[in-house]
Order: sequence, then C-alpha cells, then structure tokens
Amino acid sequence: AQKITQTQPGMFVQEKEAVTLDCTYDTSDQSYGLFWYKQPSSGEMIFLIYQGSYDEQNATEGRYSLNFQKARKSANLVISASQLGDSAMYFCAMREDYMDSNYQLIWGAGTKLIIKP
Amino acid sequence: GAGVSQTPSNKVTEKGKYVELRCDPISGHTALYWYRQSLGQGPEFLIYFQGTGAADDSGLPNDRFFAVRPEGSVSTLKIQRTERGDSAVYLCASSDPGQPLNEQFFGPGTRLTVL
Repeated sequence: AQKITQTQPGMFVQEKEAVTLDCTYDTSDQSYGLFWYKQPSSGEMIFLIYQGSYDEQNATEGRYSLNFQKARKSANLVISASQLGDSAMYFCAMREDYMDSNYQLIWGAGTKLIIKP
Repeated sequence: GAGVSQTPSNKVTEKGKYVELRCDPISGHTALYWYRQSLGQGPEFLIYFQGTGAADDSGLPNDRFFAVRPEGSVSTLKIQRTERGDSAVYLCASSDPGQPLNEQFFGPGTRLTVL
C-alpha cells in the first residue's frame, strides 16, 4: 500500500536560513506524482510544488525546490531564505498517475514549521 | 477567478443529528474530492467524483456518510446520526484532469464539531 512518512513533527528555523523538510514514500507503482502543500493557521491547503516520478530534474518553484531521490524514495522540500510568512504546516502527498486512477492524494502527517525572527 | 468555496465554515451539532456540508468547486473542474482532516493529522480521502458520478467512494468510513454531485458542479457531503468521532475539518478539492499537473485546489474547509 502507498504510504507517506514525514518524520519531523516540528521544526524551528531562523529567519533567512534555508530549511529542508523530509518526506519518504512507499509505493510499488512506477508512475506517480509527489506534491507539497502548505497549510497556514487559516486552514486552507496551498499547493507549492510537484514532482513526477519520471521527471529527471528536481522541480523548482521560486524559493521552493524539491530534492527528489527516486532510489531512496525521498522527496524533501527545500525552502530557501525562509520568511516569517513561511510558518505553517507542510504536507507531503503522493498520487498514483496511471490510467483510471482516482487521483486521490495520500498524505503524510505533516511538519509544523516555525520561523523565528 | 473564484476558488473552491465551502459552507458553512463551522458547524456545531449534537450527537445523532444530520448535517450537510456544501462544496462549490472551481468552474470547469470536473474532478471533485472530499477529505477529512482530524486534529494534528494529514487529510484522509473520503470520495472522488468525476462529473456527476462517484467514481470512488472507498474512503467513506461507513454508511452514515453519503455525498452527491447531481449536476456535476456543487457537491454535498451528508452525514447521518452524527457521532463525536465525526468531529474534524472536512476539506473539499477540485481539479481539471485535462491540465498537465492535475493539481488539486482546496477550499477553506468546514470545521464540524459534534457535541
């Protein structure tokens, strides 16, 4: 069965430093996608970045990049130059990407990131 | 354009009562999902609609839960005989499977509290 593991329940990081949020996954599928979402205290899930299992390059989106190591089944999120507004819960999620998939997301437990001024 | 909206934002009910939670997806998104998020946890899949039909309802915990999407747009999640264990945030998401990433866009959620 598919599973997402986020081993860091909480992290404190100094403003302007880079931070890496860990995510490992387990799947027997060959075609899948990995997502990171941010959930501020307001509750809404905000899509940050996506990595496809066949993508050869790591995904980047502004200050966000994804360190994808397929053989190790890890998809860590890197946030460069952290800002106070980055304080939030961060979730890693996986989706099966084959024909007739229901495209549901399988979620990790999340990491609470707090940026210190 | 407008994002996914959910009403009500908060719902407090008594054990045994019936509740309805509404989701209005992004216009043109044919896929719609319901998830449930308990405190301190990641969301759990409940049901997926493609158009009007429930393509996968395997995540519904029991037959007290039911969802509809009669016209392929707005969806309603219905919970009968609510129990205290149903208390959670119910998230709705929509997506366009025709887009390359088919990423899901989420609404703000409905916080359900069963007393």
